[in-house]
Amino acid sequence: DTAVSQTPKYLVTQMGNDKSIKCEQNLGHDTMYWYKQDSKKFLKIMFSYNNKELIINETVPNRFSPKSPDKAHLNLHINSLELGDSAVYFCASSRTSGETQYFGPGTRLLVL
Amino acid sequence: GESVGLHLPTLSVQEGDNSIINCAYSNSASDYFIWYKQESGKGPQFIIDIRSNMDKRQGQRVTVLLNKTVKHLSLQIAATQPGDSAVYFCAENIQGAQKLVFGQGTRLTINP
Repeated sequence: DTAVSQTPKYLVTQMGNDKSIKCEQNLGHDTMYWYKQDSKKFLKIMFSYNNKELIINETVPNRFSPKSPDKAHLNLHINSLELGDSAVYFCASSRTSGETQYFGPGTRLLVL
Repeated sequence: GESVGLHLPTLSVQEGDNSIINCAYSNSASDYFIWYKQESGKGPQFIIDIRSNMDKRQGQRVTVLLNKTVKHLSLQIAATQPGDSAVYFCAENIQGAQKLVFGQGTRLTINP
């Protein structure tokens, strides 16, 4: 009965590889987000989707491409992974934009 | 730019004592504020929120105070317990921006 779930929880990969992280929410929310949390715990929004439409793209490199097949899912695909991409990535959802966001457990990405 | 910040990055209190975590914001257009708790290895968890038309809101052992005059937000935790040890984030919703802006985070440690 997890509200916001992400897979995988851990991801270790080589520089230059392509990887995807998946997110699903069963809260019936319209808006979903991807955040990046660095080693200093700073949370930075990357993308926001409302009802499958992109509404926020915070100057994230083109190597990051979100995809929302339906409003309950928001996946993140990363091409040509770089060392600096190592971080924890959190998915979140809210009833609508600007309201309380509920976070998933995070995906810990390590690029070697 | 990003406007939410915290006065203290770390805070240690004795178990049973009260703790106060502070947050400053600079955007007067912010109309909604949220406190999140992030335990080690987990995603941020909603604690309490407050809208800009209020100056105080109480939950179970937690109180949020909002001072719009000086753009200050605080989280008070009463009778702290070991399980309160975590990183606490404040977040603000800037009206019309469709996103939350997170503060730096304060690590609260409860000493036995």
